[in-house]
Amino acid sequence: AQKITQTQPGMFVQEKEAVTLDCTYDTSDQSYGLFWYKQPSSGEMIFLIYQGSYDEQNATEGRYSLNFQKARKSANLVISASQLGDSAMYFCAMREGRNTGFQKLVFGTGTRLLVSP
Amino acid sequence: KAGVTQTPRYLIKTRGQQVTLSCSPISGHRSVSWYQQTPGQGLQFLFEYFSETQRNKGNFPGRFSGRQFSNSRSEMNVSTLELGDSALYLCASSSRVAASTDTQYFGPGTRLTVL
Repeated sequence: AQKITQTQPGMFVQEKEAVTLDCTYDTSDQSYGLFWYKQPSSGEMIFLIYQGSYDEQNATEGRYSLNFQKARKSANLVISASQLGDSAMYFCAMREGRNTGFQKLVFGTGTRLLVSP
Repeated sequence: KAGVTQTPRYLIKTRGQQVTLSCSPISGHRSVSWYQQTPGQGLQFLFEYFSETQRNKGNFPGRFSGRQFSNSRSEMNVSTLELGDSALYLCASSSRVAASTDTQYFGPGTRLTVL
């Protein structure tokens, strides 16, 4: 069964510093997708970044980048130049399968990030 | 483009009652998935609807059901509510077109409290 592990319950970072949120995954499938979502206290899950298992380049989206190490089965999120608005819960998620038949996401337990001035 | 909308945002019910939650996907998205989020169990997949048919189902009892309409709007129903059903229910929509990069976009959620 697929599984996502986020070992950092909480992280603290100062404004303008970079932070790395860890995510490891377990799957027997060769084709899968990895996602990061941000959940502010309001509850809405905001999509940040996607990495496909066959993608050779690490994904980047503005201040977000994904450090994908396939052999280690890790997909860490790097946030550069943290901002106060980045304070939130961050979830790593995985979707198995390359085709659209699989829409189920499996989530990790999340990491609460607190950015201080 | 408007995002995923969910109604109502908050609900308070008592044990034994039933509840219906609604989700309107992003325009053009035909897939709607539902998730339950609780402090104890985290985020868990409930089910997915596409073209008015349930395509995937998570490990939840039959009290949890859903449907999708021809305009892709979806409803989720929970019958005979239990205290443990108190949770944030999140709906997500996707286009289900680009297989490898299809992304689920979430709504603001419905917070259900069962007393």
